[in-house]
Amino acid sequence: NAGVTQTPKFRVLKTGQSMTLLCAQDMNHEYMYWYRQDPGMGLRLIHYSVGEGTTAKGEVPDGYNVSRLKKQNFLLGLESAAPSQTSVYFCASSYYQRDRGTYEQYFGPGTRLTVT
Amino acid sequence: GEDAEQSLFLSVREGDSSVINCTYTDSSSTYLYWYKQEPGAGLQLLTYIFSNMDMKQDQRLTVLLNKKDKHLSLRIADTQTGDSAIYFCAESKGGRGSTLGRLYFGRGTQLTVWP
Repeated sequence: NAGVTQTPKFRVLKTGQSMTLLCAQDMNHEYMYWYRQDPGMGLRLIHYSVGEGTTAKGEVPDGYNVSRLKKQNFLLGLESAAPSQTSVYFCASSYYQRDRGTYEQYFGPGTRLTVT
Repeated sequence: GEDAEQSLFLSVREGDSSVINCTYTDSSSTYLYWYKQEPGAGLQLLTYIFSNMDMKQDQRLTVLLNKKDKHLSLRIADTQTGDSAIYFCAESKGGRGSTLGRLYFGRGTQLTVWP
């Protein structure tokens, strides 16, 4: 199992450019999440998905769009990048563990994005 | 929304115990978690505690939960240089299953272990 993978690992964009970050998981998890991490800010949820074909907004959704066309993939799009979107982006997936009654989130290694 | 509160930095000497504290926000959070982030990597679950427990021990890790004060702590015994990382507390707000796996993270505590 590769777990949660993210591509690309690094990217530099100019203001106004667009790009898509890809997250893939091979654990058959129902739930997937996109976070951004900024220094001293912890992790903030951008969007999440509770199943194939569904998406929902998190805490900081503005400027981002997502799609979950396949269960194993969760795409994060930036239509018109801004310097404020310079950050490290993490994808995570989880499932409901019935024996424990809890969820454990598995994280990808992150994508470092710089917008100039 | 309101974030769980954590001190940003903690420094300890190798072999000492480390205690990382967290004040979470939602008294109905069913589970409280501790995640570890090593440099350049994603977060990994270290341990978690169910809200009806006061303490959980897992090898060198001890989690204490004070529900009255909404206070969570992580104690690492015999801290090693390999424990240097950022530690995040996280809560599942709103009770069991109601948030569909959403977690709400604190801002993280950078633990530095000196040899």
